[in-house]
Amino acid sequence: ILNVEQSPQSLHVQEGDSTNFTCSFPSSNFYALHWYRWETAKSPEALFVMTLNGDEKKKGRISATLNTKEGYSYLYIKGSQPEDSATYLCAFYFPGANNLFFGTGTRLTVIP
Amino acid sequence: DGGITQSPKYLFRKEGQNVTLSCEQNLNHDAMYWYRQDPGQGLRLIYYSQIVNDFQKGDIAEGYSVSREKKESFPLTVTSAQKNPTAFYLCASSLEGQYTGELFFGEGSRLTVL
Repeated sequence: ILNVEQSPQSLHVQEGDSTNFTCSFPSSNFYALHWYRWETAKSPEALFVMTLNGDEKKKGRISATLNTKEGYSYLYIKGSQPEDSATYLCAFYFPGANNLFFGTGTRLTVIP
Repeated sequence: DGGITQSPKYLFRKEGQNVTLSCEQNLNHDAMYWYRQDPGQGLRLIYYSQIVNDFQKGDIAEGYSVSREKKESFPLTVTSAQKNPTAFYLCASSLEGQYTGELFFGEGSRLTVL
């Protein structure tokens, strides 16, 4: 089982603040990295699937960067809103195991 | 609306009983997956299926069984051989089975063994 680490485990920010969190993964044999957003009582929803070193993807106020050589990805949220409150999961695809290895998530709470 | 439907949402089972969790998708996806979530851990893969009538074990398949008789359906049976079945179970699907595309998830089923 490959280790995918997310930090911080949880954070609280004020509405309007920008925030970011980290996903660390093994840098060798990189193939793809996924980001999901999981609101309480709902299903996890895909944000990004990233495959290229240096990739930067954006969806509204949320963006992500990828560094496959050093094994990390950052997720940024600009101007956080209460509806951004959710757990953000990253997952690393390792072809050798044909499996997606998930981190434990970063739980974000945006305080109005 | 297209999506993944899991049922039931909550299930209680006595020790020694088998229980089957349903997962149906109308997205016309080839690949389907079952994950398990435990407190403090990332989602772990139980079984996956890339095509009808074929499925593969994931990391924690012991005590579970699946079938894939139809493209739309991938039920998971939690057998009495599963030593610690109380958990939250998520079903997912993807267009292809290579994880380069996003997964689409259901809302999950919470199983409690009494």
